[in-house]
Amino acid sequence: ETGVTQSPTHLIKTRGQQVTLRCSSQSGHNTVSWYQQALGQGPQFIFQYYREEENGRGNFPPRFSGLQFPNYSSELNVNALELDDSALYLCASSSPRQTEAFFGQGTRLTVV
Amino acid sequence: GNSVTQMEGPVTLSEEAFLTINCTYTATGYPSLFWYVQYPGEGLQLLLKATKADDKGSNKGFEATYRKETTSFHLEKGSVQVSDSAVYFCALSASYNTGNQFYFGTGTSLTVIP
Repeated sequence: ETGVTQSPTHLIKTRGQQVTLRCSSQSGHNTVSWYQQALGQGPQFIFQYYREEENGRGNFPPRFSGLQFPNYSSELNVNALELDDSALYLCASSSPRQTEAFFGQGTRLTVV
Repeated sequence: GNSVTQMEGPVTLSEEAFLTINCTYTATGYPSLFWYVQYPGEGLQLLLKATKADDKGSNKGFEATYRKETTSFHLEKGSVQVSDSAVYFCALSASYNTGNQFYFGTGTSLTVIP
């Protein structure tokens, strides 16, 4: 059983640029959620995808968007990057039959 | 709404000391409760969970009991080790038909000194 993998592990972008982060979910999981963890804070829910459709969104602006593919992998896209977008972005996969979610190692995004 | 409040750190303990990290929650419905641990530079690892009132989750010497009457899920360990140094997050999971959404506390940093 493979775990949740995210790429890249680290990324540096300039303010105003766009970024795409990727996540491969754990085998058998069809739900993927994305979280933003600012330094010294707990993760905050961005949105969730189930069977390729967005299903639930936290308090994040529309420039945060995503996709889920038929193999249940997912992308998080952020447009018009701001300095405050600097954070660890975590992907979590789960299935409706489970209570827990399994988290990837995260992508550390730095916006300069 | 759903939210989690946990004890602020940082917490510094000597090896073999007793650990308590307080966590309380507010939730609609019947959430599951979790403790996750994060080591430096890494993602979140599930430490333990409880899915209903009065359940006790346990793992690696850590324990937490789901107390509905006090809306609490305090983390305890009788004798901490240096290797337990990490950041601990209390979380609740609100379940929907398509999966679950997590709400995290702000984290408590624990340092155990020899």
